[in-house]
Amino acid sequence: EPEVTQTPSHQVTQMGQEVILRCVPISNHLYFYWYRQILGQKVEFLVSFYNNEISEKSEIFDDQFSVERPDGSNFTLKIRSTKLEDSAMYFCASSGGLRGVTGELFFGEGSRLTVL
Amino acid sequence: LAKTTQPISMDSYEGQEVNITCSHNNIATNDYITWYQQFPSQGPRFIIQGYKTKVTNEVASLFIPADRKSSTLSLPRVSLSDTAVYYCLVGLLIKAAGNKLTFGGGTRVLVKP
Repeated sequence: EPEVTQTPSHQVTQMGQEVILRCVPISNHLYFYWYRQILGQKVEFLVSFYNNEISEKSEIFDDQFSVERPDGSNFTLKIRSTKLEDSAMYFCASSGGLRGVTGELFFGEGSRLTVL
Repeated sequence: LAKTTQPISMDSYEGQEVNITCSHNNIATNDYITWYQQFPSQGPRFIIQGYKTKVTNEVASLFIPADRKSSTLSLPRVSLSDTAVYYCLVGLLIKAAGNKLTFGGGTRVLVKP
């Protein structure tokens, strides 16, 4: 069964450092997303991406965040200058195959970011 | 986006049926109701989706009354491995820019032996 894969599974970084989280969505999907979940809290939407541009973003997704699809397979989330409060599990998701958009998002296993 | 309200937690025992009700009083005409399951340290996983009446798949059933202001996820004969957080989401199924699904607090279901 096709799946969304994320790397790294866990990253520890110092405050102020740049972090890039990587995702390989399901190959024929057209819509890509990043969500985050702070430990013990709910899953929060960050950004959605379609046709090589951001389609929606939340208030959390400020100027320190950026997303990119550098090639035909990877989808990355960059945090330019990490803060302690960026410590969370970051989930990538994809949806919408060639047959159109459905309500089902396929999530990866997540990348745990720890900012010290 | 329609706000959802669901119980914070529920306990059950192996073999029992678990019913989780979600309220979404402000659901819009084009909104669909989707349920996700999340195990600790894993990404959410799609369970079921519906618009009205009843939907059933190999995992669960979803009951939606005529006014669509609530929905009930039914998990038949739960096992210990069904212990998870269950999220009710309401939003557009079809949207050109992709779906922005907003997760609420979820219902933490604990299945006991």
